[in-house]
This record gives sequence, structure tokens and C-alpha cells, in this order.
Amino acid sequence: NAGVTQTPKFRVLKTGQSMTLLCAQDMNHEYMYWYRQDPGMGLRLIHYSVGEGTTAKGEVPDGYNVSRLKKQNFLLGLESAAPSQTSVYFCASSLGTSSGNEQFFGPGTRLTVL
Amino acid sequence: AQSVAQPEDQVNVAEGNPLTVKCTYSVSGNPYLFWYVQYPNRGLQFLLKYITGDNLVKGSYGFEAEFNKSQTSFHLKKPSALVSDSALYFCAVRAPGAGSYQLTFGKGTKLSVIP
Repeated sequence: NAGVTQTPKFRVLKTGQSMTLLCAQDMNHEYMYWYRQDPGMGLRLIHYSVGEGTTAKGEVPDGYNVSRLKKQNFLLGLESAAPSQTSVYFCASSLGTSSGNEQFFGPGTRLTVL
Repeated sequence: AQSVAQPEDQVNVAEGNPLTVKCTYSVSGNPYLFWYVQYPNRGLQFLLKYITGDNLVKGSYGFEAEFNKSQTSFHLKKPSALVSDSALYFCAVRAPGAGSYQLTFGKGTKLSVIP
């Protein structure tokens, strides 16, 4: 099993450009999450999904959109990138929330917005 | 609202000595608590969790954590540190219940094990 994979690994954008980050998991997990990691701030939840076709806002959703058309994929979109969105983005998935199921993380995407 | 505090940005320990990485939390109800480790340029890896039961939880790579409800703490420990344990450690908390989705992370503690 590949676990959680993210595409691309690195990306540089100019302000105002758009892009989509792809997350895929092969563990048949219901729940998927997008986080951003900034120095000294830990991980902050952007959006999450509790199943195919459903999405919800997390702690810092502004400037991002998501879609979960297939159970195994969770896409994060930036419609008009801003320098404040320079960050490392992590996708995660989990089996569910009962019994405290842990989240499994992808390797991350390092995004720089100039 | 739930929150996690990791009071130390960095912990330095000599190889072979015991290590402790501190974590305190705030959440309504009985918490689900987690520790993750992040090596440079890598994603987070799950180490251990406390859901219920024994307050001392054992996890991967010889790590363990002690849940203390009265002090709302969940400190990560290891009896003998290795240089390879040097990494960034995150504590996280989630409120119990199937309707609670958000995992709140602390800001992380950088552990450096000195040879």
C-alpha cells in the first residue's frame, strides 16, 4: 500500500495564479483532511471531508476550495494564490472518528507564492 | 474550543539519557490524545494515542506517554534517547464523540539528541 500520496511535491506560483493539489489514499478511509504547516504554528486544518461528495470548512478555509468526487481522492484548490499561502500543505486520512482513529499523513507539498 | 500547549520550542538531551517532551491540553469531556513525529522534509508519523484505560500508553520506537487527567497533561517520554530520535514532535487533541472531527495540534517541540 502506498498510503497517502500527494502531488506535486513542490510548486512555485506567482500571485494570482491558480493551482490544484491532489491527495490520494489507498486505505479505503472515509475521512480526509487538508492542513497547512507554518513555522511556529503547528498544523492548522483548512478543510476536511467525512465521505465522498461531502466537504466542510476547518480552521483556516479562506482562499481555498476542496472537492471529494471520489472516496480515494481529495483535491485542494487555490483560485488566486497570495504570498500568505506560501506554506507546506499536508493531506491526511483516517478510518473514522470513533475509537480515536489516528490520521495518516502524506509527505507534503511545499508551495511558494511569489 | 480545544487547544494544546507544548511549552518548550526545543528540548536538548544527551544520547542515552531519558527524554520528556511536554504537552498540556484543554478540551470538553474526556480527550483523545495523540503524539506524532516529523522528520525533516517528511510528513507526520503516528507514535501513540490515549483513548481510555491505562494512563501509561506505549507506542512506536520505544516511546511512551503518560495521561494525567488532573493536570491535563500528556507528556511524551523515552527511557534512553537515540540520536535518531532527533525530530519535531507534535501533540494533538480531539474531543470525544463521532461528531467531532477536528484534531488540534500543538506548535511542535524540536528534539535534539546530542551524541
